Amino acid sequence: EDQVTQSPEALRLQEGESSSLNCSYTVSGLRGLFWYRQDPGKGPEFLFTLYSAGEEKEKERLKATLTKKESFLHITAPKPEDSATYLCAVTTNAGGTSYGKLTFGQGTILTVHP
Amino acid sequence: DGGITQSPKYLFRKEGQNVTLSCEQNLNHDAMYWYRQDPGQGLRLIYYSQIVNDFQKGDIAEGYSVSREKKESFPLTVTSAQKNPTAFYLCASSIEAWVSYGYTFGSGTRLTVV
Repeated sequence: EDQVTQSPEALRLQEGESSSLNCSYTVSGLRGLFWYRQDPGKGPEFLFTLYSAGEEKEKERLKATLTKKESFLHITAPKPEDSATYLCAVTTNAGGTSYGKLTFGQGTILTVHP
Repeated sequence: DGGITQSPKYLFRKEGQNVTLSCEQNLNHDAMYWYRQDPGQGLRLIYYSQIVNDFQKGDIAEGYSVSREKKESFPLTVTSAQKNPTAFYLCASSIEAWVSYGYTFGSGTRLTVV
């Protein structure tokens, strides 16, 4: 069974204090790993897709990296507007099916204080 | 603008009552999905559909039903058989089974049992 575990569950930072969120996964045949941002009461918003170990993607203050067992979302000099829940999800080649089922982690709630 | 529209935003259900959540997309996406989100848990897949007039059960389909009569629409009915329906429900779509940007999500419906 595919498993995705995110840590920490919650993270509080001061504005400008850089840190990283972790996403560990156990899957058969990773096809892709996704990072989403979710604001309270809203649907998740796509951030990145990573396909293979060693790959990195950047967007503003966010940088996502991928290894064979985990992914990190690095936040550099965060601002209060970066406060949100960050979700990690994976899709696999399991069973030869082609539908795009995503298995999600439970999320990390990030709060950035001014 | 293209996107996914979920309605209503808030829904209250009485005991023993069936309710239907609406999901409409104008993105011309083939695949559509319903996820349930509970506090502290990741999103869990209820049902998904790859093409019109076809859908499959996800991980937690008991007590739910769907239809896919039109490409644009994928309504979810929460039946009285669902014993713990209070949750945040998210509809999503993707162009095909595998896309580099994963899903596009709607803004969600919060269902509460009263």
